[in-house]
Formats: sequence, structure tokens, C-alpha cells
Amino acid sequence: DIQMTQSPSSLSASVGDSVTITCRTSQTIDKYLNWYQQKPGKAPDLLIYDASTLHAGVPSRFSGTGSGADFTLTISSLRPEDFATYYCQQSFTTPLSFGQGTKVEIK
Amino acid sequence: QVTLKESGPVLVKPTETLTLTCSVSGFSLGNSKMSVSWIRQPPGRALEWLARIFSNDEESYSTYMQTRLTISKDTSKSQVVLTMTDMDPLDTATYYCARTYAYGVGSQGPSNFDYWGQGTLVTVSS
Repeated sequence: DIQMTQSPSSLSASVGDSVTITCRTSQTIDKYLNWYQQKPGKAPDLLIYDASTLHAGVPSRFSGTGSGADFTLTISSLRPEDFATYYCQQSFTTPLSFGQGTKVEIK
Repeated sequence: QVTLKESGPVLVKPTETLTLTCSVSGFSLGNSKMSVSWIRQPPGRALEWLARIFSNDEESYSTYMQTRLTISKDTSKSQVVLTMTDMDPLDTATYYCARTYAYGVGSQGPSNFDYWGQGTLVTVSS
């Protein structure tokens, strides 16, 4: 099974800041990495698939990079609605798997 | 409009079997690009993928949970059912069903969870 390691597990930032979240996989997964945003009490929302492709309707301040085993999600110019928990997920092989999440909190 | 909705008991006792139903609309469970997964999230913890069923009824399971899980579907009713045996308090979680869209070539390639149900909280307690 592929293990997913996200870092940091949490971070504090201010509105307008740029933040980067890292996801590392235990084996190479080509570019088959998805990112989700989850707000409290809600189901996750798809942000990015194929490591860098924005899902429909996702603002361009979200961006993703990476291939192989190392991936990043960057949120440029944080807005109040971006404070949430972010998860990476691999679809290279089954069983599918998620990272442990990164909580982005307001400083 | 694509929607998914989970239904099932809110409370089960230890050792009992949990049966959850995901009712979908806006797409067909017979579409080869569409499958449905079950994902759970214990309170305050991370997402955990459990199982997936494809349009051809092929099943895929979490390695850790596979001995306790069965996923099935009724395409004519647009429903996917997950059963989990021998429930334990550690299985207390919000259970989500999600459309698993194979965006690449074919039906078994890379995928994402592009639509989710609202989730249903299942508590395991005597």
C-alpha cells in the first residue's frame, strides 16, 4: 500500500500570505495526486487533480506541482475562506489513500 | 445535477453489522467512467478510503478493512451499498460516499472524488 505523508500537520498564516503544503508518497505515483479542501462539518471538495490541474471553478490562487513522490499545494494570497484542512490523495493504484491532512489556521 | 446521499443507522452496537446505502442521481452507475467509493472520517481525524465499485461490478477494498467490507450496487435503483461487519467503537466515524471519476483513458486509470455526499455520522456504542 502507498503511504502518504503531509507536512506540516498544521500551520498558522494571515490573510494575504502565501502557504505551501507538501505531500510525499512512499513510492512513485507519476502525477496521479489529488488535493482536497475540507471545512468543518462539510464533505471535502476537489481542488486539484493530476498534481497540477485545477478542478472546475477552483480559484487560480490554488496551484499544485510535483511528480514522482513529492508534491506541493500552494495557496497564494490567502483569503478568509481558505482557512480549512487540506488533504492529498493518490490514485496511482489501489488501495487508494489519503494523507493525514494539513490544517491551515488564522494567525 | 450530480448528487449523492448516504443513509443508514446513526447508532450501532459493537459486533453488529453496519449497512449503509448511497443513493445517487445525475449520473449512471453503468457509466464506465464513473464508480462510487466509500470513505470514512473518525471525529477529528483524517479521511480513510474504504471501498470502490466499478460499473462492471468489480470491487476494490482497503487492505486493512477488506475482510469486514462488502460493496455492491443496484444500477437500476442508482444505489450503492456498503456492509461492514463486527463493528467496534473505533469504527465511529462520518461515512461518505463519493463519485470516483476516471478522468484518464479507460475506466481503471487515474481518478478523483469529484462529488461527495453530505456524510452520515455512525456511532458505535452499547
